[in-house]
Amino acid sequence: AQSVSQHNHHVILSEAASLELGCNYSYGGTVNLFWYVQYPGQHLQLLLKYFSGDPLVKGIKGFEAEFIKSKFSFNLRKPSVQWSDTAEYFCAVDTGKLIFGQGTTLQVKP
Amino acid sequence: DVKVTQSSRYLVKRTGEKVFLECVQDMDHENMFWYRQDPGLGLRLIYFSYDVKMKEKGDIPEGYSVSREKKERFSLILESASTNQTSMYLCASSPRSGGRFNEQFFGPGTRLTVL
Repeated sequence: AQSVSQHNHHVILSEAASLELGCNYSYGGTVNLFWYVQYPGQHLQLLLKYFSGDPLVKGIKGFEAEFIKSKFSFNLRKPSVQWSDTAEYFCAVDTGKLIFGQGTTLQVKP
Repeated sequence: DVKVTQSSRYLVKRTGEKVFLECVQDMDHENMFWYRQDPGLGLRLIYFSYDVKMKEKGDIPEGYSVSREKKERFSLILESASTNQTSMYLCASSPRSGGRFNEQFFGPGTRLTVL
C-alpha cells in the first residue's frame, strides 16, 4: 500500500541548531512532493514543493528539501532554526492520490 | 490572496445529530477537499470533488457525505454524528493541474466535538 512516513514525531531544538526532518514514501512511480507547515493557530500552508527538475528545492523562510529518488525520500532541512519555526510539519506525496505523513511537531527553544 | 473559509471554528454537537460543515473558496479552483486531522495520524482525506456535482471517496468516507452544488462551495455532512467523529476538519482547494494534485490552500479548520 502507498504510504508516507515521517520518522520524527516530536523534535526539540535550540535556536540556531540545524534541522532535518525525514520523509519517506512507498511508491515506485512518478511523484510530486510537498512539505506543508502549520504554525500555532494558523492555517496549513505550503512550505515548498517538488514536481520535476533540480532535486534540491528551496522554499519559504530558508527551508529546503532534497528529493532522493533512489531512497524514496524528501527530507526537509534548515541550517539554523528560529523560535518562530515552532510548528507542525507535514510531508505529502502525490502518487495520483495525495497522501500526508503523520506530521512532526517542532519545538524551538529560545 | 487565496481564501478558503469554513463556516465555524468550533462546533459542539450531540450524538445522532446531523451536522453540516461548509467551505467556500474564492479562487475559482476546480478541486476541493475535506480532511480530518487527528494527532499522530496526520491528515486523512474524507472526500474530494474535482468539479461541480462530482465527488470521489477518499480514504475514510464512512459516516460522511458531501455536496458540491456550486463551484466555490463544498459541504461535508455527518448524517448521524458519533463520538468517534470528534476531530479537526480541514477544507482545502486547489487548481486542476493535468490530473495531478497541485498546491492546496487550506481553510482554518473546524474543531468538532460530538458529545
